[in-house]
Amino acid sequence: GAGVSQSPSNKVTEKGKDVELRCDPISGHTALYWYRQSLGQGLEFLIYFQGNSAPDKSGLPSDRFSAERTGGSVSTLTIQRTQQEDSAVYLCASSFGSSYNSPLHFGNGTRLTVT
Amino acid sequence: AQTVTQSQPEMSVQEAETVTLSCTYDTSENNYYLFWYKQPPSRQMILVIRQEAYKQQNATENRFSVNFQKAAKSFSLKISDSQLGDTAMYFCAFSNYGQNFVFGPGTRLSVLP
Repeated sequence: GAGVSQSPSNKVTEKGKDVELRCDPISGHTALYWYRQSLGQGLEFLIYFQGNSAPDKSGLPSDRFSAERTGGSVSTLTIQRTQQEDSAVYLCASSFGSSYNSPLHFGNGTRLTVT
Repeated sequence: AQTVTQSQPEMSVQEAETVTLSCTYDTSENNYYLFWYKQPPSRQMILVIRQEAYKQQNATENRFSVNFQKAAKSFSLKISDSQLGDTAMYFCAFSNYGQNFVFGPGTRLSVLP
């Protein structure tokens, strides 16, 4: 079956513009995670969804960042008024959720460049 | 809060040799899961191996094995017969029953011909 799909794979935007990043998880996966990875660095947790609700939004860096998930499936991460420090790879991952010994399955990420 | 530490930012190994990557973690939980992920230059994160904390037996997957020391909160990855395709960033991760996954900073492994 299909893996986790993220779009676009690359996005270049001007400072101050809004961007939307999309994640389509593996079918049947109830949990969905967003991470940010700066060049050569580790993974910074942003937000976690169980179904459509987000029990943990603690990683969102500022109120310019928001995320939603509809229908227990697709999720969008929105960054408003982008800044140069937002440039990074945004990774999405999904799993069967907290009741199972389920590892994360990752998408290929969206590379965001803010000029 | 859980933390994961990888003390080796970079390592290198000769092809066909064995290398061990270190990982330590901090948690007050008794039941949890540990994972090693590989991220090659293609950027795709790939699961290498996983370990349930309640299992004493160390997990193995072909050339990959772990040394899990629960009391010491240590979870090292051993790669045997290293291959050029093993060149990648390796991340150790902790999961509290899937409610959150905490990743270490990563170790960049280079396999030399």
